[in-house]
Amino acid sequence: GAGVSQSPRYKVAKRGQDVALRCDPISGHVSLFWYQQALGQGPEFLTYFQNEAQLDKSGLPSDRFFAERPEGSVSTLKIQRTQQEDSAVYLCASSLRAGDSYEQYFGPGTRLTVT
Amino acid sequence: GDSVTQMEGPVTLSEEAFLTINCTYTATGYPSLFWYVQYPGEGLQLLLKATKADDKGSNKGFEATYRKETTSFHLEKGSVQVSDSAVYFCALNGGSYIPTFGRGTSLIVHP
Repeated sequence: GAGVSQSPRYKVAKRGQDVALRCDPISGHVSLFWYQQALGQGPEFLTYFQNEAQLDKSGLPSDRFFAERPEGSVSTLKIQRTQQEDSAVYLCASSLRAGDSYEQYFGPGTRLTVT
Repeated sequence: GDSVTQMEGPVTLSEEAFLTINCTYTATGYPSLFWYVQYPGEGLQLLLKATKADDKGSNKGFEATYRKETTSFHLEKGSVQVSDSAVYFCALNGGSYIPTFGRGTSLIVHP
């Protein structure tokens, strides 16, 4: 496909469950970003990868959040022991160049609802 | 820190009306400014950008001018269409790879 894809598109989890959200960036894109978008808010930065290296995880809200990109392509955002405040849309974006957030291509997001 | 303030929505217009969505920002230095659009069920798409003062970004009939003196980047379109209905996000990038987004403004255009 030509764009960034994310799966699942919707996820309902019971409080305390672990979830894994997947992002397939555009092939060949070096940079990959994860964002959290709460209802009625703009996206907020979570973490940044350059190829397989996680260069910045300053936006991850707690140690329950973990992200990886082991082969420099597909990335997974994992949330352990989900809480209600984790309910949000999780967006993934990729860009061709290292450190480039100017020309990001966003996926459609995964809407996580924690009940 | 950096911040972006957008006008509250929803903005409801009739087709062919003039659109303005206000955006002001706070940042140190000279950030680059962006407008993104999010159509229902889709990801954010870059609509236009401006990288220095007095630059005008334009795309698909939308335009915005980087006004350093008023720290603003208002989005305008002369004649909106039903297909423009979406959520619009103003954003800035102060030079790092971490952009700052506004809360978004929903636009609803009626036939």
